[in-house]
Amino acid sequence: GAGVSQSPSNKVTEKGKDVELRCDPISGHTALYWYRQSLGQGLEFLIYFQGNSAPDKSGLPSDRFSAERTGGSVSTLTIQRTQQEDSAVYLCASKHRGLNTGELFFGEGSRLTVL
Amino acid sequence: GEDVEQSLFLSVREGDSSVINCTYTDSSSTYLYWYKQEPGAGLQLLTYIFSNMDMKQDQRLTVLLNKKDKHLSLRIADTQTGDSAIYFCAETTQGTYKYIFGTGTRLKVLA
Repeated sequence: GAGVSQSPSNKVTEKGKDVELRCDPISGHTALYWYRQSLGQGLEFLIYFQGNSAPDKSGLPSDRFSAERTGGSVSTLTIQRTQQEDSAVYLCASKHRGLNTGELFFGEGSRLTVL
Repeated sequence: GEDVEQSLFLSVREGDSSVINCTYTDSSSTYLYWYKQEPGAGLQLLTYIFSNMDMKQDQRLTVLLNKKDKHLSLRIADTQTGDSAIYFCAETTQGTYKYIFGTGTRLKVLA
């Protein structure tokens, strides 16, 4: 697609429920990142994919968080048994490996509210 | 460890210049970036500078890099209400995948 696409754009859920957030990167972008942006906070790194593998998952806050990427394209971030502190905007970004400037292209984010 | 710091808020009058500052700790940084985030949107790259440069100008934007002090600044000339947004600085090192983002500076432009 023309840009990084994320869905849903807004999700309201009850505490304890599971949620799935989807990211569709720019076609041909091999690198994919998930970040979390909490109110008044900067960007918190969650996980990095190169192709389908995730060499760095160090930012995932707990074992309730998991992510996968299939076909070197779409990625899904899953949060199990959501808690109120999970409320945030989840941003996905992708990058073309050969791009000299190293620019990250961001989606518009998925805003998660846990009641 | 690596860290990137910014002040949280800046308020300027329309037509004035805005200067947003950033300090970083990683001396091996190769690329330094300024991203803009408008309300309800993702981050969009505004400009970037290589670590071997001191200054870069792009229309109303001027980026200054002081490598000795590890200080990066973004100057916006003739600031407009449409410039109201959160501005993030970020750095990365060539050959790595990691990007370190600052906390973001919320710029408010008063009419």
